[in-house]
Amino acid sequence: DTGVSQDPRHKITKRGQNVTFRCDPISEHNRLYWYRQTLGQGPEFLTYFQNEAQLEKSRLLSDRFSAERPKGSFSTLEIQRTEQGDSAMYLCASSPTGDRFKGYTFGSGTRLTVV
Amino acid sequence: GENVEQHPSTLSVQEGDSAVIKCTYSDSASNYFPWYKQELGKGPQLIIDIRSNVGEKKDQRIAVTLNKTAKHFSLHITETQPEDSAVYFCAASIESTYKYIFGTGTRLKVLA
Repeated sequence: DTGVSQDPRHKITKRGQNVTFRCDPISEHNRLYWYRQTLGQGPEFLTYFQNEAQLEKSRLLSDRFSAERPKGSFSTLEIQRTEQGDSAMYLCASSPTGDRFKGYTFGSGTRLTVV
Repeated sequence: GENVEQHPSTLSVQEGDSAVIKCTYSDSASNYFPWYKQELGKGPQLIIDIRSNVGEKKDQRIAVTLNKTAKHFSLHITETQPEDSAVYFCAASIESTYKYIFGTGTRLKVLA
């Protein structure tokens, strides 16, 4: 397994445009998480999925944000009508659950710059 | 909700010396405490974790201690090497929720 993959690594977009990021988790992990990290800060929780079900969303996730995980495999995070405040690193992580839980494995992130 | 404070924000040590990073948490229900290392341009990588049923855990040059009464936990790195230079994050979690609250990070510089 190659770990958690995120695509693209970098995205520059103009304010008001829509962007979509993709995350491919470790194949046997049923939990998938999205976090956002701004410069000089720790990652902040956005949302997570168990299989295809989105179980929790942070209040940080405004109506402009939507995440999906069809068929419980890869996930996408879409931001509509981007704003400069959306500029951040978007991190995806995955993990097993229950007795097999040994912490998250993070991807390398997608760095979004809104100009 | 949970709040995690991390100190110091930057730490410089000479190669071979020890480094200690400290975190405090607010929610007494938290029972899982991972530490992550993040290198430039990469995602955080788990380096060690501890659950609330133990007070200390060690893995080679890295150790973590937990004081549940005081609600603080610390990362200890001995015999530091230049490749230990990175940003380190602590986190607290109620393990059944699988959701982490991260500290603000410590930038460690190991000077050769």
